[in-house]
Amino acid sequence: EAGVAQSPRYKIIEKRQSVAFWCNPISGHATLYWYQQILGQGPKLLIQFQNNGVVDDSQLPKDRFSAERLKGVDSTLKIQPAKLEDSAVYLCASSPGTGTGELFFGEGSRLTVL
Amino acid sequence: AQSVTQLGSHVSVSEGALVLLRCNYSSSVPPYLFWYVQYPNQGLQLLLKYTTGATLVKGINGFEAEFKKSETSFHLTKPSAHMSDAAEYFCAVGPSGTYKYIFGTGTRLKVLA
Repeated sequence: EAGVAQSPRYKIIEKRQSVAFWCNPISGHATLYWYQQILGQGPKLLIQFQNNGVVDDSQLPKDRFSAERLKGVDSTLKIQPAKLEDSAVYLCASSPGTGTGELFFGEGSRLTVL
Repeated sequence: AQSVTQLGSHVSVSEGALVLLRCNYSSSVPPYLFWYVQYPNQGLQLLLKYTTGATLVKGINGFEAEFKKSETSFHLTKPSAHMSDAAEYFCAVGPSGTYKYIFGTGTRLKVLA
């Protein structure tokens, strides 16, 4: 079974530039999550999708961050314009949406904002 | 509201020694509790979880954790550390039946030869 795929793995940009990250969850997983992991901290949930609908985006800085999951499968997270404090690893995770409680994580996309 | 505290951001043990990583949580509802491991430049991988039932939970790679409601703890242990156990470990808590997890700040385990 293929795992959660993310790209790019690494991205370096200047502040005020834009960046987009892509995630393809495990096949059949209805729920998709984007987490932000700042160095030295645990992952923090940015947004949760159930199929193509948003379940929770209460911690997403909506003035600069946006995310979509148009067909209920893969997802894109965009940052525009980026700030220095956005430097982090952006983790995508998926879950079947029922029962086990386990999240399946991708390898992450490391963003450095200069 | 829920929260999780991991005591010790860095823990060093000798190879073959007991591993003990501490996690305390607060939750106003019955919690789901998890331990995840993160190897360098990789995503998080589930080690073990407590949802309901037996309070002593066994996971992969010889790790286990015990849910102690009275102490609001879910400490992770392994009887004998291997070099391959060197990684960062995250405790997470969430309300049962949801996926709204709060992660701790992590404990980096170093295994000394």
